[in-house]
Amino acid sequence: GAGVSQSPSNKVTEKGKDVELRCDPISGHTALYWYRQSLGQGLEFLIYFQGNSAPDKSGLPSDRFSAERTGGSVSTLTIQRTQQEDSAVYLCASSDRKGPPINYGYTFGSGTRLTVV
Amino acid sequence: DQQVKQNSPSLSVQEGRISILNCDYTNSMFDYFLWYKKYPAEGPTFLISISSIKDKNEDGRFTVFLNKSAKHLSLHIVPSQPGDSAVYFCAASENTDKLIFGTGTRLQVFP
Repeated sequence: GAGVSQSPSNKVTEKGKDVELRCDPISGHTALYWYRQSLGQGLEFLIYFQGNSAPDKSGLPSDRFSAERTGGSVSTLTIQRTQQEDSAVYLCASSDRKGPPINYGYTFGSGTRLTVV
Repeated sequence: DQQVKQNSPSLSVQEGRISILNCDYTNSMFDYFLWYKKYPAEGPTFLISISSIKDKNEDGRFTVFLNKSAKHLSLHIVPSQPGDSAVYFCAASENTDKLIFGTGTRLQVFP
């Protein structure tokens, strides 16, 4: 597609439920990243997929968080047993990695606003 | 451990004047620095970047300055326009790895 697409745009869930957030990156982009922005906070790195390499999961805040990237394209971020502190905007980005960051930069989606009540 | 810091949460500037947004970092291994702009309900968009081998990069009204000895970079916008009102994020990368973002500065440009 023309840009990075995320769904749903908004999600309200009850505490303790599981949620799945979806990201469709730009076609052909080999790198995919998940970030989240909590209220009043910056962009917190969660996880990074690059081609067929093992993902960099160093930013996942707990084992309730997991992510997959199927076929090197679509990615799903899953949060199990959601807590109120999980409420945030979850942003996905992709890049083509054809050069250093100075040349490629990320293209972000509009995000999924998750509210845990 | 906040490796990229933006200590000013907000900045208000009159239209036509210069806006200066600041960013500090702690990791001396960072070799690329970028600025992103974010409007409400939208994803951040890439604005300008600089390699650690340079100390200045200019693109139209936007200039980024890098002071490696001070581990400090700044974004200058001149002249500032009302459409520049947004949240600006500083980001850094080590060896083309993932970007580490700061907490953002909300810029408001008033007429």
